[in-house]
Amino acid sequence: DTGVSQNPRHKITKRGQNVTFRCDPISEHNRLYWYRQTLGQGPEFLTYFQNEAQLEKSRLLSDRFSAERPKGSFSTLEIQRTEQGDSAMYLCAIPNAGTLIYNEQFFGPGTRLTVL
Amino acid sequence: KQEVTQIPAALSVPEGENLVLNCSFTDSAIYNLQWFRQDPGKGLTSLLLIQSSQREQTSGRLNASLDKSSGRSTLYIAASQPGDSATYLCAPNSGYSTLTFGKGTMLLVSP
Repeated sequence: DTGVSQNPRHKITKRGQNVTFRCDPISEHNRLYWYRQTLGQGPEFLTYFQNEAQLEKSRLLSDRFSAERPKGSFSTLEIQRTEQGDSAMYLCAIPNAGTLIYNEQFFGPGTRLTVL
Repeated sequence: KQEVTQIPAALSVPEGENLVLNCSFTDSAIYNLQWFRQDPGKGLTSLLLIQSSQREQTSGRLNASLDKSSGRSTLYIAASQPGDSATYLCAPNSGYSTLTFGKGTMLLVSP
């Protein structure tokens, strides 16, 4: 158990629909990260929150993507007008809060999105 | 921009073999490097984190080494088992916010 849950675990949608994913850390963490992983590739960074503030966004995060962390706890990632190229695993990660290890990250189980 | 290469892309070995997975990165200004394991369709499991000031880190049958100046890390797996079959990913951490991943090495250990 990495201390991060993600829902839904799987999502199948038709092209053009909007989808929303949720990431829930079990305990409080000031930082939270989103990554995307396509088939055969390593995860790629999407965005990062420090408490409620979205501090960094990758160029992969087009204007169809929006992420929020309204109370500095859970986070949502919404994709509007989905395209087939959005099909991927979306991963959420939190840092190790129990030690001083710089930015050691622990990942949730991911949400697999399939756009038909 | 950090770029990460993992060699080999795939590896198939019989049970019991010792093996080495290689990771190279272009920007040596890193704080640490994490090795992860990923089973098919699953999230990432952190295996080891090696700090930039360390040369080696060990956990059970796993040993990770880091040569920061040359931009290389290796993951050594001793006495491999079928349960070790997975994709192994390395990710150097160059800053506060993000990890940069390689494409991984897909390992198959046959009984």
